[in-house]
Amino acid sequence: DSGVTQTPKHLITATGQRVTLRCSPRSGDLSVYWYQQSLDQGLQFLIQYYNGEERAKGNILERFSAQQFPDLHSELNLSSLELGDSALYFCASSVLAGVTDTQYFGPGTRLTVL
Amino acid sequence: AQSVTQLDSQVPVFEEAPVELRCNYSSSVSVYLFWYVQYPNQGLQLLLKYLSGSTLVKGINGFEAEFNKSQTSFHLRKPSVHISDTAEYFCAVSETGGYQKVTFGTGTKLQVIP
Repeated sequence: DSGVTQTPKHLITATGQRVTLRCSPRSGDLSVYWYQQSLDQGLQFLIQYYNGEERAKGNILERFSAQQFPDLHSELNLSSLELGDSALYFCASSVLAGVTDTQYFGPGTRLTVL
Repeated sequence: AQSVTQLDSQVPVFEEAPVELRCNYSSSVSVYLFWYVQYPNQGLQLLLKYLSGSTLVKGINGFEAEFNKSQTSFHLRKPSVHISDTAEYFCAVSETGGYQKVTFGTGTKLQVIP
C-alpha cells in the first residue's frame, strides 16, 4: 500500500458526460501528479500540482482539468468524454516538486466510456 | 524532446535464470532515468533511479541497472528471477532542467516460467 488513495476504483459512463476523479496524497506529500494509461497511448503524464499550484503540464487535453485543494487532495475533471478517454488514470504523490523525488502511485481509477 | 524505447514488449524467462530488460533513451540534454514495476491490477512502484554519480544503480527486489551514456541505454538486470517478479516494467526518462516532465516507455512484460 503506497498510502495514496484514489476514488472511485471503477467508473462507467457514456460519451459526452463529465466525471471527477479524486486523489488523496500520502500524508506530508505536497506534490500530486496525474497520469493516463491506455492501450493506445501507453503511460502519459498529464499534469502536476505542488502545494496548490500547477507545476508542470504534459499531454493533457483541453477537455480535462485538475486542481489541488488546500487540504492537498486533488481532483481530475474529464468532460465531453469520448470513447478514446477510456483508460486507467493514476495519481501519484511526492514530498517535493522535483522529478528526482520518489513518486508514490495510487491504485488507479479505471474509466470506461461507452 | 526526450523519448524512451523499450525494445522488447514481452520477455519470458525461466525461474532462477538471469534477465535483462532493455531500455534506450533519446535526449539532447542530460537526463535522469528511472525503472518502475507494475504488478497486475496495481499502480507503479519505483524500482530504481539514476540521478548522477555511479553508473551502476541498485534497486529494490535485487534489481540493478547500468547507465551507459555513449550507448544512451539504461538496461535493467536481475541475476536470478522469481515467480513474484512477473510484472510489467517501465523505463522512464526526464531531462534534468526545465519542467522535468517524465516520459515513459511502452513497457516490457516479464513472464517468469516455473
